[in-house]
Amino acid sequence: SQTIHQWPATLVQPVGSPLSLECTVEGTSNPNLYWYRQAAGRGLQLLFYSVGIGQISSEVPQNLSASRPQDRQFILSSKKLLLSDSGFYLCAWSVLWDEQFFGPGTRLTVL
Amino acid sequence: KNQVEQSPQSLIILEGKNCTLQCNYTVSPFSNLRWYKQDTGRGPVSLTIMTFSENTKSNGRYTATLDADTKQSSLHITASQLSDSASYICVVTVNNDMRFGAGTRLTVKP
Repeated sequence: SQTIHQWPATLVQPVGSPLSLECTVEGTSNPNLYWYRQAAGRGLQLLFYSVGIGQISSEVPQNLSASRPQDRQFILSSKKLLLSDSGFYLCAWSVLWDEQFFGPGTRLTVL
Repeated sequence: KNQVEQSPQSLIILEGKNCTLQCNYTVSPFSNLRWYKQDTGRGPVSLTIMTFSENTKSNGRYTATLDADTKQSSLHITASQLSDSASYICVVTVNNDMRFGAGTRLTVKP
């Protein structure tokens, strides 16, 4: 069966510090991978998606970036965090453009 | 204006009662409409999926309906349980693009 992992589960970072969130998927090959952000009381906002290694599409311009160094690994990064980067970050995978399965999420607080 | 609007924003009901959550959308046609359940601090989990031509789909105590004419979907929860406390998110997929509603926060009290 397929599983998706995200870490860390929670993170508190100062403004201006770097960020690296990791997501890995097991039990499937060549999945579509996605990064979402969910602000408190708001809907999910798609940040990035990837259809293959090294292929990243950005949906929202911001100070975040994503990379896919391996088939089942998706990384969300920032060189300098802003207060507005606080939120709940969710990674998801899908087979082609079918149903998306979400990871447990990372709660990021920028102080 | 968001293309997927959900109401109410939040809802409190007593355990054992039924409730109905609403989703109004403007995008049409679409590939499918899903209802997700998101427990606090967790990722969303799919409850139901309906294509454009379907008008009802059940998953245990959850029943989703779809009216393509009025562009409305509803999620009916029967005999609510404390574990139903969560956010319920309506998602409309247009081509390969998923449009998310902001969700309804349901609290079930004993």
